[in-house]
Amino acid sequence: AQTVTQSQPEMSVQEAETVTLSCTYDTSESDYYLFWYKQPPSRQMILVIRQEAYKQQNATENRFSVNFQKAAKSFSLKISDSQLGDAAMYFCAYRSEYSTSGTYKYIFGTGTRLKVLA
Amino acid sequence: ETGVTQTPRHLVMGMTNKKSLKCEQHLGHNAMYWYKQSAKKPLELMFVYNFKEQTENNSVPSRFSPECPNSSHLFLHLHTLQPEDSALYLCASSPGETSGPTDTQYFGPGTRLTVL
Repeated sequence: AQTVTQSQPEMSVQEAETVTLSCTYDTSESDYYLFWYKQPPSRQMILVIRQEAYKQQNATENRFSVNFQKAAKSFSLKISDSQLGDAAMYFCAYRSEYSTSGTYKYIFGTGTRLKVLA
Repeated sequence: ETGVTQTPRHLVMGMTNKKSLKCEQHLGHNAMYWYKQSAKKPLELMFVYNFKEQTENNSVPSRFSPECPNSSHLFLHLHTLQPEDSALYLCASSPGETSGPTDTQYFGPGTRLTVL
């Protein structure tokens, strides 16, 4: 069975600085998808970035980028030029390439709470 | 607004009450999910529906009863809950298998449930 581990329960970053959130996973599959979701306090969980395992190029979305190391099963999120609005819980998630009965199963980590200091 | 809404946003109930949580998605998705989110735990998948048919029940106690009348609506009926059931209940939807590799989940804001 696949697992997702986020070893940093909480991180802090100074406004305008860069922070990296760690995520490791375990799987025997060769093709899969990885996600980072952001859950601001009392607000909806939203997708930040997505990575296909068969793509070697790291995904980038504005100030958010990932460092995907397939052999090491590592998928870290880098936030550049941190802003106060980046403060949230960040969840790493894994999705198999294969569906079951027409739906895909997503496996989430425990989350990392990011604090942004003014 | 991600297109997935949940009501109510907050619910306090006694252990003998019966209540229902509602989720609605306006994204044209085929798959809908219920998750339980507790502090310091991974999101726990509870139920999955595809085209109104339940495809997964993750060993959830029978005091939680899901209902999916159509692809846009999902309910979670609650009956004789325990205090340890207090949590944030999240609904999500995704296109499903028809979207192939691009399938991605979209979440509602959640219902904060407190069981007294």
